Amino acid sequence: AQSVTQLDSHVSVSEGTPVLLRCNYSSSYSPSLFWYVQHPNKGLQLLLKYTSAATLVKGINGFEAEFKKSETSFHLTKPSAHMSDAAEYFCVVSIAGTASKLTFGTGTRLQVTL
Amino acid sequence: DTGVSQDPRHKITKRGQNVTFRCDPISEHNRLYWYRQTLGQGPEFLTYFQNEAQLEKSRLLSDRFSAERPKGSFSTLEIQRTEQGDSAMYLCASSPHSFDGGNTEAFFGQGTRLTVV
Repeated sequence: AQSVTQLDSHVSVSEGTPVLLRCNYSSSYSPSLFWYVQHPNKGLQLLLKYTSAATLVKGINGFEAEFKKSETSFHLTKPSAHMSDAAEYFCVVSIAGTASKLTFGTGTRLQVTL
Repeated sequence: DTGVSQDPRHKITKRGQNVTFRCDPISEHNRLYWYRQTLGQGPEFLTYFQNEAQLEKSRLLSDRFSAERPKGSFSTLEIQRTEQGDSAMYLCASSPHSFDGGNTEAFFGQGTRLTVV
């Protein structure tokens, strides 16, 4: 079975400060890992994905994540938060050969304050 | 707009009524998925199609739920005899075929929000 645990349900940062959203995964096989973002009244959008190539993955809007097998983690970071980053973020795992079926975490709501 | 589209965006229905949602995937994508998202939770997998074949159904999909993709293009999700517990956001996603068995990106629609009163 595969699963992801998002360690924080809510994170608040000031604009211009770093962002860290934590995710741990559990998988019996080599996983593909994703981060999706969900803005209010908008569809889920892919931020970045890890599929067994480089362990440091760069995504859109300045986000990046590092796959650490020894820690079973895939934390999402951004050096400097922007007000437009306020949204719900989902860490997602998928197993090769499962036709891209996704298992989502419970989400982390990112709040960005002035 | 060439993304995944869902209709309607919102649906309010009385308990016991039947409802049907439609999803139009990105045209060249042969895989189509339905997910359900309840308040404060991440989306949960319901079912998926490869072309017109429904290849997997979650145990979350009770007998009151049925999904079709008759010509391998658009899909419908029907809920019969709705219950208050069916209130949720129903998300559709599509992805292209993977020729090496790997995972390809899933593109999501904006969802249909169902409220059962």
